[in-house]
Amino acid sequence: DAGITQSPRHKVTETGTPVTLRCHQTENHRYMYWYRQDPGHGLRLIHYSYGVKDTDKGEVSDGYSVSRSKTEDFLLTLESATSSQTSVYFCAIRQDWDRGGNEQFFGPGTRLTVL
Amino acid sequence: QQQVKQSPQSLIVQKGGIPIINCAYENTAFDYFPWYQQFPGKGPALLIAIRPDVSEKKEGRFTISFNKSAKQFSLHIMDSQPGDSATYFCAASSGGNEKLTFGTGTRLTIIP
Repeated sequence: DAGITQSPRHKVTETGTPVTLRCHQTENHRYMYWYRQDPGHGLRLIHYSYGVKDTDKGEVSDGYSVSRSKTEDFLLTLESATSSQTSVYFCAIRQDWDRGGNEQFFGPGTRLTVL
Repeated sequence: QQQVKQSPQSLIVQKGGIPIINCAYENTAFDYFPWYQQFPGKGPALLIAIRPDVSEKKEGRFTISFNKSAKQFSLHIMDSQPGDSATYFCAASSGGNEKLTFGTGTRLTIIP
C-alpha cells in the first residue's frame, strides 16, 4: 500500500459545510496527488504537490484547495461542499524517479457524501 | 478533452478466456502507459506498465501490447480467473510530466 493512509474513510456532510480530507504517507515521497473517482469518468486529478508548500491544479480543481505543510501530509479542503462533490477521493504518491519512474500508488480512498 | 479513450466499458468473459481491453491516446508525447487494477472498495493498484520502445510486455498472465503508429495499447489477461474480476484503468503520461491521464475504466467479470 506504499504506506499511504487516508482519513476519514467515510464522511457524510451537508451542503455548504467545509470538509477536509487528509492523506498521510510514511516514505517521504516528493509527489502527492488527489483524485476523485466517479462512474463514467475514471480518475480525475484535482490537485497535486511536488514538495512542501508546492502545489498545482489538476483538471477538476474548482471548489477544492490543498495544503502541504509537511512532506508526509497532503490535505484536500472543500471550502463549501456541494452535492456535485459527492465522490470517492483517492490520494496517491509517485515513486521517485531514481527508484523507477512515474509509478503512482494509491491510498484506500475516502467516500464522501454531500447531502 | 478525453486524451485516453478506453473500451469496452464492461466485459464478461468465461473462465480461461482472454479478455482484451483497449486504449487509444491522442498525445504523441505520451511515453509511459500503465494499467491499474481496482477491486471494489479498494484503491487502484499498479498492475503493469510499458514504454513505447517495446511492442509487448508480459508479467505473469498479464500482457500489454503497444502499437505506436496507431497510438493504441491493450491489456490481455491469459487464462482468466474469477479472481481477475475487477475494474481496469489504462493511463498515460509524458516524460517529465508529473501527471497521469486515465481512461474511464473497464469493469471485467470472469464467470466460472
